[in-house]
Amino acid sequence: GQQLNQSPQSMFIQEGEDVSMNCTSSSIFNTWLWYKQEPGEGPVLLIALYKAGELTSNGRLTAQFGITRKDSFLNISASIPSDVGIYFCAGQASAGGTSYGKLTFGQGTILTVHP
Amino acid sequence: DTGVSQDPRHKITKRGQNVTFRCDPISEHNRLYWYRQTLGQGPEFLTYFQNEAQLEKSRLLSDRFSAERPKGSFSTLEIQRTEQGDSAMYLCASSLERRSLHFGNGTRLTVT
Repeated sequence: GQQLNQSPQSMFIQEGEDVSMNCTSSSIFNTWLWYKQEPGEGPVLLIALYKAGELTSNGRLTAQFGITRKDSFLNISASIPSDVGIYFCAGQASAGGTSYGKLTFGQGTILTVHP
Repeated sequence: DTGVSQDPRHKITKRGQNVTFRCDPISEHNRLYWYRQTLGQGPEFLTYFQNEAQLEKSRLLSDRFSAERPKGSFSTLEIQRTEQGDSAMYLCASSLERRSLHFGNGTRLTVT
């Protein structure tokens, strides 16, 4: 199935460093979402973006919805060991209606934080 | 609110056997979704229900797969005549109308 292009595939950083990851698509999305998944668990929503150009923060996390509606990025500032996990971007083509919740996910970015 | 619950957490089966997974959504969530996640990949949409009606199915959902949500509460996903390629994590999610999806912790299927 179609997936978004997410990069980098993995990152190894020192505690305290900032992290940046991005997601691109050949298709337009009306909603961009960022999830975190830890081993043995389902994805947990971090940030949701609903408008092109929107910049949204959630604590140390900041995400932006690209102007072209074909990309998004996520920044994590001052990383800590509990940031370890797999981060997924997800796009939703439908702004509403019956296809709401039909998400297309990226391949994930594996984040490792060294204390 | 106990979150989305999935059962079993792990299932090992032999090729050719049938398996059934159960998902209990967050109560009062009227939408329920099934996704499949293979190792190293993001989840892929399979199907979704609004109340008891199955409104959309992905091409990934072959005719060996069937999902039900008989009373608009819990859902089951059955795979008949399992194949090794069916080995994956099967994730269930629920939402209230067009609000955020809440995922369960998945059922990991291994077909030997």
